[in-house]
Amino acid sequence: GAVVSQHPSRVICKSGTSVKIECRSLDFQATTMFWYRQFPKQSLMLMATSNEGSKATYEQGVEKDKFLINHASLTLSTLTVTSAHPEDSSFYICSARAPFMNTEAFFGQGTRLTVV
Amino acid sequence: AQSVTQPDIHITVSEGASLELRCNYSYGATPYLFWYVQSPGQGLQLLLKYFSGDTLVQGIKGFEAEFKRSQSSFNLRKPSVHWSDAAEYFCAVSGFQKLVFGTGTRLLVSP
Repeated sequence: GAVVSQHPSRVICKSGTSVKIECRSLDFQATTMFWYRQFPKQSLMLMATSNEGSKATYEQGVEKDKFLINHASLTLSTLTVTSAHPEDSSFYICSARAPFMNTEAFFGQGTRLTVV
Repeated sequence: AQSVTQPDIHITVSEGASLELRCNYSYGATPYLFWYVQSPGQGLQLLLKYFSGDTLVQGIKGFEAEFKRSQSSFNLRKPSVHWSDAAEYFCAVSGFQKLVFGTGTRLLVSP
């Protein structure tokens, strides 16, 4: 099956700094990538959808200026949490989809972000 | 907009017993339906999916699910649960773009 690699798996940062999370599709071209946030013992909440070469579409309530998403190539999307605060601590998961894969999305292993 | 309901927050099943996890969806067109499993601190693994055709879908690890359009349901089943099946299970529905998840069901397996 298709592989999506997410890096880093864990990161601890100081409040006020920015953190970048990478999501790569290793063996297919991902025209669409999704970013989710998951709070402990809760479901995955879609944050934004990004299509290669265009601006991301954010879900209602998600701050665009805080969660910067870049999808500059068909194999890489990045999520940057800017000026992170403790309430941004969460589990972030990306997924990727290719047009020939019949809407199936493949998931990265997630990134545990802790802001101290 | 599509939505998914998983009415059971958690379920406890004895090892070796059968399992059924419920999932109801809402979507205006023919849905694409998925079941994923998540172990603590891990990403999601796809168990099975339904796009069209046979309404009984076989997946990995001995799981199956049945699509019932009349009931808007896509329940997950396994005839005999193993201790390693303890995890969080998510049902999801996909439209043209978005993949929307249910709230999840935590499966506990007792000896």
